[in-house]
Amino acid sequence: GAVVSQHPSWVICKSGTSVKIECRSLDFQATTMFWYRQFPKQSLMLMATSNEGSKATYEQGVEKDKFLINHASLTLSTLTVTSAHPEDSSFYICSAKQGADQPQHFGDGTRLSIL
Amino acid sequence: DAKTTQPTSMDCAEGRAANLPCNHSTISGNEYVYWYRQIHSQGPQYIIHGLKNNETNEMASLIITEDRKSSTLILPHATLRDTAVYYCIVRRGRWAGGTSYGKLTFGQGTILTVHP
Repeated sequence: GAVVSQHPSWVICKSGTSVKIECRSLDFQATTMFWYRQFPKQSLMLMATSNEGSKATYEQGVEKDKFLINHASLTLSTLTVTSAHPEDSSFYICSAKQGADQPQHFGDGTRLSIL
Repeated sequence: DAKTTQPTSMDCAEGRAANLPCNHSTISGNEYVYWYRQIHSQGPQYIIHGLKNNETNEMASLIITEDRKSSTLILPHATLRDTAVYYCIVRRGRWAGGTSYGKLTFGQGTILTVHP
C-alpha cells in the first residue's frame, strides 16, 4: 500500500519551455502533497506544501510564479516549471500523506534536464 | 524542528545487523523520529517512525533511548540491496500546532554500504 506515482521519470527540453510533472497517490487519498528538489550530491530540499483545494505554501526562496503547483484532487498534484532554464535542471520528487500524522510516501522522482 | 546528527558513512557485511545511530538531543516532546532511505536515483522510502516507544516492522527496528535524545535504526540482516543513504528526521506531530508540522527536513544522512 501507499504507492505514489510520478510522471514523467525524466524529461529533456529546451530553455524557455514549460514542463509539467504529475504526482499521483495510487491507493490512498492524499490530503497533503509535498514537492522537493534535489541537486547532485545534495540532500532533498522542500519546495512547497500542497493541500487539496487550496493554494500551495512555498518555502522561503522558492519562486511561486515559476513553480506552479495545482492540487485539484485528493489523488493528483502537479508541478509546472515555467520558462525553464538550465539552472532549473534537477531531480524533482513529490510525496503524499494520507492524514495528519501519517508518514509521507515518495514518488520515484523526475529528472529534469534543460538544454 | 530538532536537528539530527548522523555519521557520514558506515559499512556492514551482508547478513549482519546494521545499526545506524542518530543523535537528536534537542528533540521536544511533540516530535516524532522518522527514518527514510534513498537508493541512488530513486525517491526516499519510508522505513519506520516512533515517538518514545521502540518500534518494529517488517523492514527494521527503531530503538529510542529513554531520554529520547538519540535513536538507532536496526536492519537485522542487511543485504546488498540495503545499500543506500539513510535519513533520520525529527518531525513535529499534528497536536503541536503551527504551520510546520508534518514537514520533513532532510539532512545529509548516513551512506550505508553493505558489502559481500
